[in-house]
Amino acid sequence: QKEVEQDPGPLSVPEGAIVSLNCTYSNSAFQYFMWYRQYSRKGPELLMYTYSSGNKEDGRFTAQVDKSSKYISLFIRDSQPSDSATYLCAMSARPPNNAGNMLTFGGGTRLMVKP
Amino acid sequence: DTGVSQDPRHKITKRGQNVTFRCDPISEHNRLYWYRQTLGQGPEFLTYFQNEAQLEKSRLLSDRFSAERPKGSFSTLEIQRTEQGDSAMYLCASNLRGAGDTQYFGPGTRLTVL
Repeated sequence: QKEVEQDPGPLSVPEGAIVSLNCTYSNSAFQYFMWYRQYSRKGPELLMYTYSSGNKEDGRFTAQVDKSSKYISLFIRDSQPSDSATYLCAMSARPPNNAGNMLTFGGGTRLMVKP
Repeated sequence: DTGVSQDPRHKITKRGQNVTFRCDPISEHNRLYWYRQTLGQGPEFLTYFQNEAQLEKSRLLSDRFSAERPKGSFSTLEIQRTEQGDSAMYLCASNLRGAGDTQYFGPGTRLTVL
C-alpha cells in the first residue's frame, strides 16, 4: 500500500462548480501538507502549504487537514477551465525548509473543468 | 526567468547509452532535489544536496544513477546504461534552508529510452 493515496480521476466538472480533491495517508509522522498543480508536460507548481490540522484559504483555494483521520482536502471555488490540470498532494514529516526533507506525493488527480 | 531551469527538456536515447541532465536552481537556494515522475504517478524522491554535499542518496533507484553538485550551484543527474524502464520525467526542485519555503520545481526533463 502506498503511503499517500489519491483518486486518479479524471474528475470532470462544469465551469463555476466547487471542486473537492482529497488525499489519505498512512504515516502519522506527516505534519506538513502541500498541494501542487501540474499542467501537462510541466513541472509541479505550489498552490498551498499547511502545517498540522486546520484550514488555510488563499483566494479561490482552501486547504483542509484532518490529522486524526489522516485526510487532507483541497477545495476550489468558482472553478475555471484554466484550473484543468493534475493536482498532486504532497507531505513531509519535517518542514521542507529544514533538514532537507523529501516530499512524499500522491499519484495526482486529473481535473477537467468544462466551459 | 528566475525559476528553476532544466536542460534538456526532452531526451531520446537508445537502451544502453548514458545520459546526463542539468538543473539550475533558483539562485539563492542552497538545497536542490531530484525526483522522478512516471506517467500517471506523483514525483518520487531520488536524492538531495545542501550546497555541494549530497546528504541523501539512498533513494537513488540503482547504482546506474548518480548525481553531482560540484560547486553548490547547478547539479547534474547521470544515468548509465539506460534501460527502457528509465523512461520518465526527471524533475529538479530547490529551496532555501531556513526561509520557510517549500520546494519549487523546474519544468523537468522528459527521457525516452528506445
